[in-house]
Amino acid sequence: NAGVTQTPKFQVLKTGQSMTLQCAQDMNHNSMYWYRQDPGMGLRLIYYSASEGTTDKGEVPNGYNVSRLNKREFSLRLESAAPSQTSVYFCASSLHRDSNQPQHFGDGTRLSIL
Amino acid sequence: QKEVEQDPGPLSVPEGAIVSLNCTYSNSAFQYFMWYRQYSRKGPELLMYTYSSGNKEDGRFTAQVDKSSKYISLFIRDSQPSDSATYLCAMSDGSGYSTLTFGKGTMLLVSP
Repeated sequence: NAGVTQTPKFQVLKTGQSMTLQCAQDMNHNSMYWYRQDPGMGLRLIYYSASEGTTDKGEVPNGYNVSRLNKREFSLRLESAAPSQTSVYFCASSLHRDSNQPQHFGDGTRLSIL
Repeated sequence: QKEVEQDPGPLSVPEGAIVSLNCTYSNSAFQYFMWYRQYSRKGPELLMYTYSSGNKEDGRFTAQVDKSSKYISLFIRDSQPSDSATYLCAMSDGSGYSTLTFGKGTMLLVSP
């Protein structure tokens, strides 16, 4: 069972470059999320998509855009990467938007911005 | 005051010890509580899920919620080196207008 799959697993970018992180889930979940995880900061929500066709900002949306391509796929785009965006990015999904639903995570994309 | 507080550790114990991991929170509306385990260079995986106050047991793991004290715990009995990981608590009010609130995680090291 694949669950939540993220690509790529690692990436190094130069400041100002653009990049799209891909996420796909095969659990027929309605809601999908993008987090970043930094040392000492924990998981911080960037954007989420409650259902296909909708997206909403989370705690730290600046510098990012998202696209819910279909029910399975949710991508995160950095238009002009900055060193402050160096982080580990996790995609997650849940059955429904309601916050009582547990979220299932991918294994992350480790992104370094030089 | 942060909404969810969790000691970052590391917490180091010998194999076979009983481990207690804890989170405190400030939002009295929280009623769904989860524990995630995160191995190094992996994503968080759901370990325990509880609703409201009380205990829930699953094998060597017991989750405990005390809503009156705004305090949750995860106990690990007979700890194993394979339990070495970061443990994150997460909680929510269950509404469709909020998302999960995560603690920052406690690193656990179990030595053989």
